[in-house]
Amino acid sequence: EPEVTQTPSHQVTQMGQEVILRCVPISNHLYFYWYRQILGQKVEFLVSFYNNEISEKSEIFDDQFSVERPDGSNFTLKIRSTKLEDSAMYFCASSAEGQGLTEAFFGQGTRLTVV
Amino acid sequence: GENVEQHPSTLSVQEGDSAVIKCTYSDSASNYFPWYKQELGKGPQLIIDIRSNVGEKKDQRIAVTLNKTAKHFSLHITETQPEDSAVYFCAASKAGGGADGLTFGKGTHLIIQP
Repeated sequence: EPEVTQTPSHQVTQMGQEVILRCVPISNHLYFYWYRQILGQKVEFLVSFYNNEISEKSEIFDDQFSVERPDGSNFTLKIRSTKLEDSAMYFCASSAEGQGLTEAFFGQGTRLTVV
Repeated sequence: GENVEQHPSTLSVQEGDSAVIKCTYSDSASNYFPWYKQELGKGPQLIIDIRSNVGEKKDQRIAVTLNKTAKHFSLHITETQPEDSAVYFCAASKAGGGADGLTFGKGTHLIIQP
């Protein structure tokens, strides 16, 4: 069964450092998303991406965040200068369609710990 | 923006009994309401969804109901089994599907007692 894969499963970084979280969406999917879940809190929408550009983003997704699809298979989330409050589980998701009738599949998540 | 409230935060039921998880939403423009199951160490997995043009949807032991007037929707699991133990999240969006701009509830930890 096709799945979304995320690497690494756990990333520890020092405050102020840049971090890149990687995702390999399902191969025929066209819409990509990042969500995050701070421990004990709700899963929160960060950004959606289609046709090599951001289609929607939340207030959380400020200038320190960026997304990229550097090649045909990877989808990355970069945090430029990490803060302690960026510590969370980050989930990537993909779907064959966006505002359509298709299911979105989530990866297993990357736990980011900023120290 | 949208606000989704989910109750209860923890639900313990005997194996074979039914479980009901309830969510309310605030934005009347929301039109898509998925439910996700998250097992330990895994990402959320869609188990059932409903759109605003229907009031109820069923898939084997799982059903979801939607009351647009009251802005609430519920997940019903019948004949619960040990493998149903997990965290369940409700969500809402105006996107009609996919994972665009979903607002999630806080989750319900469902425990199935043998």
